[in-house]
Amino acid sequence: GAVVSQHPSWVICKSGTSVKIECRSLDFQATTMFWYRQFPKQSLMLMATSNEGSKATYEQGVEKDKFLINHASLTLSTLTVTSAHPEDSSFYICSARAGSATYEQYFGPGTRLTVT
Amino acid sequence: SQQGEEDPQALSIQEGENATMNCSYKTSINNLQWYRQNSGRGLVHLILIRSNEREKHSGRLRVTLDTSKKSSSLLITASRAADTASYFCATDATSGSRLTFGEGTQLTVNP
Repeated sequence: GAVVSQHPSWVICKSGTSVKIECRSLDFQATTMFWYRQFPKQSLMLMATSNEGSKATYEQGVEKDKFLINHASLTLSTLTVTSAHPEDSSFYICSARAGSATYEQYFGPGTRLTVT
Repeated sequence: SQQGEEDPQALSIQEGENATMNCSYKTSINNLQWYRQNSGRGLVHLILIRSNEREKHSGRLRVTLDTSKKSSSLLITASRAADTASYFCATDATSGSRLTFGEGTQLTVNP
């Protein structure tokens, strides 16, 4: 089956620093990748949708200057949390879709971000 | 925004019993999917049911969809301790579009 990886699986950073999270599709080309955020005991909230080679589309209320998304290749998307604050501490999950005609999204294992 | 609501929010049962979780949504959908999430992990796709389907089975899973009531249910039969996880429904308005997740049900299966 299709595999999506995320790196790192967890990260602790100091307030004010930036953190980059990678999402890779390992055995397929992902034309579209999605970034979600999940707070403890809550559901997934879509942050943004990124298509390879174009700018990401952000959901309402998500600051695009704070959460920088780059989808430079068909197998890699990155999410950079800039000037992180403790309230950015969350579980970040990416998913990838192979093509526009398919419904299937394959989810990564998630990245636990803790900002101190 | 989340359009799905799930109930119950938490369910605790004994091994061997059946578990039923419900999901309601607000807008028209193309597909409805169910996912499982173990604590601190990513999502695992369980089953998809299309808007023109009413029931679907996969192993110990049975999903129903009632588009007139905008609701779906997930039944896990003969539950096992390993089924302990959070279960989410997710809908998409058109095939391949963004998924909207429900609030989730935390299932605990006691051995």
